[in-house]
Amino acid sequence: NAGVMQNPRHLVRRRGQEARLRCSPMKGHSHVYWYRQLPEEGLKFMVYLQKENIIDESGMPKERFSAEFPKEGPSILRIQQVVRGDSAAYFCASSPGRSVEQYFGPGTRLTVT
Amino acid sequence: GESVGLHLPTLSVQEGDNSIINCAYSNSASDYFIWYKQESGKGPQFIIDIRSNMDKRQGQRVTVLLNKTVKHLSLQIAATQPGDSAVYFCVVGGAAGNKLTFGGGTRVLVKP
Repeated sequence: NAGVMQNPRHLVRRRGQEARLRCSPMKGHSHVYWYRQLPEEGLKFMVYLQKENIIDESGMPKERFSAEFPKEGPSILRIQQVVRGDSAAYFCASSPGRSVEQYFGPGTRLTVT
Repeated sequence: GESVGLHLPTLSVQEGDNSIINCAYSNSASDYFIWYKQESGKGPQFIIDIRSNMDKRQGQRVTVLLNKTVKHLSLQIAATQPGDSAVYFCVVGGAAGNKLTFGGGTRVLVKP
């Protein structure tokens, strides 16, 4: 049973470009969460999704960031017009239901040059 | 809002000794208290959780203690092993359980 998959593992973008981060949850999991981690800091909640629905996006920046979890395919975190401050590790987690026991992927490390 | 803080940024432990990691939280309304472990280059891994109506819970080699009076949470690791070397996060979950608030982390280094 494969764990949570994230790709790409490393992503380099120039300022102003778009970044697309993908997350495939564990088999049987319909709940997906995105977190952001700056170096030497804890993770910060961004958004919680179920299939085709955004449940809680209270941690998402108001502009340039969006997330989706379509009926088919992976969850996507999209960052438009990236800036240097977006450089961070982005982690996706999944769970079979609403739970504090979340299974995390290996993360995507975004570097904005 | 919620905030979670840790007393020690780094903890060095001799292999075989017990480890204790402490954490303070601020929001009395929190319903879940959780410990996650993160090894270098990996995503966090769930260790153990405790509901707000409990004060102690035990797992395999780990014990979590919750003191709601002083808003303090601790993780005890028995017979610490080299594989326990990681950053440990004290995490608070809301009433719905799903939204996790992470503290800053304590790095545990196990010396052989």
